[in-house]
Amino acid sequence: NAGVTQTPKFQVLKTGQSMTLQCAQDMNHEYMSWYRQDPGMGLRLIHYSVGAGITDQGEVPNGYNVSRSTTEDFPLRLLSAAPSQTSVYFCASMFQAGTGNTIYFGEGSWLTVV
Amino acid sequence: KNQVEQSPQSLIILEGKNCTLQCNYTVSPFSNLRWYKQDTGRGPVSLTIMTFSENTKSNGRYTATLDADTKQSSLHITASQLSDSASYICVVSGVDSSYKLIFGSGTRLLVRP
Repeated sequence: NAGVTQTPKFQVLKTGQSMTLQCAQDMNHEYMSWYRQDPGMGLRLIHYSVGAGITDQGEVPNGYNVSRSTTEDFPLRLLSAAPSQTSVYFCASMFQAGTGNTIYFGEGSWLTVV
Repeated sequence: KNQVEQSPQSLIILEGKNCTLQCNYTVSPFSNLRWYKQDTGRGPVSLTIMTFSENTKSNGRYTATLDADTKQSSLHITASQLSDSASYICVVSGVDSSYKLIFGSGTRLLVRP
């Protein structure tokens, strides 16, 4: 069981470039989500998915796209990177959305936009 | 607006001492509350999960308490170790959207020898 795997670990982008942060889980979890973590702030939800083919926006979705074509994968796309998107990104998964379920986080992806 | 406030923002203690971290929330109706430990440069790792009907939950030297009436939770760390140095994050979810988690900004704990 690898858990939640995120790639890349570190990335530097130029303003206006696009890229995809990859997230995969091998626990057959229905729920997957992306968060960003900025200094002095709690993790904020970008997008989430409660199953393959289903995605929805979180608290800070602007500038990001997601898709969920398989149960295992939940990539996060930055369409046109901006310096405000410099952050640490965490992917998370949970067996099912609901009470008592443990949320498993990836190790994070450090993104710098210059 | 649903919020989760943690205190203190940072804390320094000596190895072997106990400490208590606080979490106050306004999420209503409340579903469950989680405490996570986040080491520097790593992803958060679950410590405890409590539903509204639970008052206390332990995980080794970590004991979480919950008072759903006052909307307060605490995380007590006993006999601290150097490896306890980390950020501790309180996470709350509501009944109507249990998959939309609300995160506190965390308490940074430093344990000194």
